[in-house]
Amino acid sequence: NAGVTQTPKFRVLKTGQSMTLLCAQDMNHEYMYWYRQDPGMGLRLIHYSVGEGTTAKGEVPDGYNVSRLKKQNFLLGLESAAPSQTSVYFCASRDSTSGRFTDTQYFGPGTRLTVL
Amino acid sequence: AQSVTQLGSHVSVSEGALVLLRCNYSSSVPPYLFWYVQYPNQGLQLLLKYTSAATLVKGINGFEAEFKKSETSFHLTKPSAHMSDAAEYFCAVSDRGNAGNMLTFGGGTRLMVKP
Repeated sequence: NAGVTQTPKFRVLKTGQSMTLLCAQDMNHEYMYWYRQDPGMGLRLIHYSVGEGTTAKGEVPDGYNVSRLKKQNFLLGLESAAPSQTSVYFCASRDSTSGRFTDTQYFGPGTRLTVL
Repeated sequence: AQSVTQLGSHVSVSEGALVLLRCNYSSSVPPYLFWYVQYPNQGLQLLLKYTSAATLVKGINGFEAEFKKSETSFHLTKPSAHMSDAAEYFCAVSDRGNAGNMLTFGGGTRLMVKP
């Protein structure tokens, strides 16, 4: 199993450009998450999905959109990139069949995005 | 709302010394707590988690954490630091009140190990 993979690993954008980050998981997990990591702030949740075709806002959703058309994929879009979106983006997934709140989230390797 | 505070954004220890990374939480319900580790240029991986089964939790790589309800703490310890422990460590609490079962993370503590 590859686990959680993210594409691309690095990207540099100019202000106003758009892009899509792809997250894929092969563990058949229902729940998927997008976080951003900034120095001293830990990870903050952008959007999440509890199943195919569903999405919901997290703590810092402004400027981002997401889609979950297939269970294994979770896309994060930036329509008009801003320098404040320079960050490292992590995707995660977790199983939910047990209904337990203690199930582990599995993280991808991250995408480092710079917006000039 | 849940929150997590990690005291000390940077901790430096000598190889062989005790590692103590502090985590305090705020939660309106009994919490589920996690410690994750992030090695340079990698994603996060689970070290250990508290699920209310036992207050002393043992994780991978010789780490353990003790849940203390009276102190609202979940500090991470390791008796003897190794060079390979150098990484960033994150404490997180599970938000059981939300359908997404989200994690709320602390700001992270970067552990440096001196030879």
